[in-house]
Amino acid sequence: KAGVTQTPRYLIKTRGQQVTLSCSPISGHRSVSWYQQTPGQGLQFLFEYFSETQRNKGNFPGRFSGRQFSNSRSEMNVSTLELGDSALYLCASSYGDRDADTIYFGEGSWLTVV
Amino acid sequence: AQSVSQHNHHVILSEAASLELGCNYSYGGTVNLFWYVQYPGQHLQLLLKYFSGDPLVKGIKGFEAEFIKSKFSFNLRKPSVQWSDTAEYFCAVKQGADGLTFGKGTHLIIQP
Repeated sequence: KAGVTQTPRYLIKTRGQQVTLSCSPISGHRSVSWYQQTPGQGLQFLFEYFSETQRNKGNFPGRFSGRQFSNSRSEMNVSTLELGDSALYLCASSYGDRDADTIYFGEGSWLTVV
Repeated sequence: AQSVSQHNHHVILSEAASLELGCNYSYGGTVNLFWYVQYPGQHLQLLLKYFSGDPLVKGIKGFEAEFIKSKFSFNLRKPSVQWSDTAEYFCAVKQGADGLTFGKGTHLIIQP
């Protein structure tokens, strides 16, 4: 079955703009989580959505937000972009409702803020 | 909150050498443990996982890892590495409903 799909793959934005990234989870998966990957900070958890509700949140400012739709697809939004937001944003999906839950990652969206 | 420590940031080995990458997490309780690999230009792929049961788990491409609860460790091993194992390796821990906590990664270079 198809893996986790993220769009767009690459984008360049200007400081102060906002950006929306999209993620389609593996079929049957109801949990979608987002991670930021940078050379300096590594991989950091942003938030997780399950059944359209944010279930968990990492330590990021309120400029980072997300939502999940009834078909489990998810979007994340970053407002008022800063240079430091340049990163690879990874979406991951899992069933979300079991203890032994394998988490699969998409290819990521490369965001460059100039 | 959990933290994950990967001891070696850069490892260079020759082909056929044995590999062990260290991973320690900060505190106990029930945890799920993962090793992911990121090949150059590719996305994170799951190498192996531990949820419960046998503490020695086998993954893809000949990798295995051993969970030692008393040491809060989950070290990755491979008896004989290949040039194609050149990649970034990430250890990750999940506790309860929290998101994955990743280590900083180990950049492994295999010299032919």
